Amino acid sequence: NAGVTQTPKFQVLKTGQSMTLQCAQDMNHNSMYWYRQDPGMGLRLIYYSASEGTTDKGEVPNGYNVSRLNKREFSLRLESAAPSQTSVYFCASSDPESYKNIQYFGAGTRLSVL
Amino acid sequence: QKEVEQNSGPLSVPEGAIASLNCTYSDRGSQSFFWYRQYSGKSPELIMFIYSNGDKEDGRFTAQLNKASQYVSLLIRDSQPSDSATYLCAVKSPNAGNMLTFGGGTRLMVKP
Repeated sequence: NAGVTQTPKFQVLKTGQSMTLQCAQDMNHNSMYWYRQDPGMGLRLIYYSASEGTTDKGEVPNGYNVSRLNKREFSLRLESAAPSQTSVYFCASSDPESYKNIQYFGAGTRLSVL
Repeated sequence: QKEVEQNSGPLSVPEGAIASLNCTYSDRGSQSFFWYRQYSGKSPELIMFIYSNGDKEDGRFTAQLNKASQYVSLLIRDSQPSDSATYLCAVKSPNAGNMLTFGGGTRLMVKP
């Protein structure tokens, strides 16, 4: 049982390059999330998908796009990377039907934009 | 003002002592409260969940919630060096679409 799997683990981009961060979960969760974590800022929500076929903006969506490919997979795309997007990105999933609705996190992707 | 506030630390305690971590929140409609532990370079993992006023105990961990004063705290008894990590407070509110709002985290250092 892998839980939430993110790829890649590390990435270095040049300004203006594009890339897609991949996330897959095997817990049959309906909801999935993308966060970024910067020093001292905690986790900030970029986008989320409450269920398959839906996506919504979070707190910091500018510069990102997402795709909920199916129930398992939720990808995050940077179309034209900027140095301000240097961060650690976490994907998470949860079961909103459970009363706790706990979010489980992937291992993270460490992205540097030069 | 941030919606969820935590002292960034580091909070340094000797091994065996009680570590007390605090979190305040601004949204009075918040309903559920979570404490995540994050080791350096790792992902957050849930250690406590609380939604009712009062104390909730799980092993060496106790979460305390006071909705009137809008704070939630985490006590770690008999602190161990392995407890050294950043502790993130997260709050869920229907006013935020039931999304989690995270504090900046408190770094705890337990010294042998």
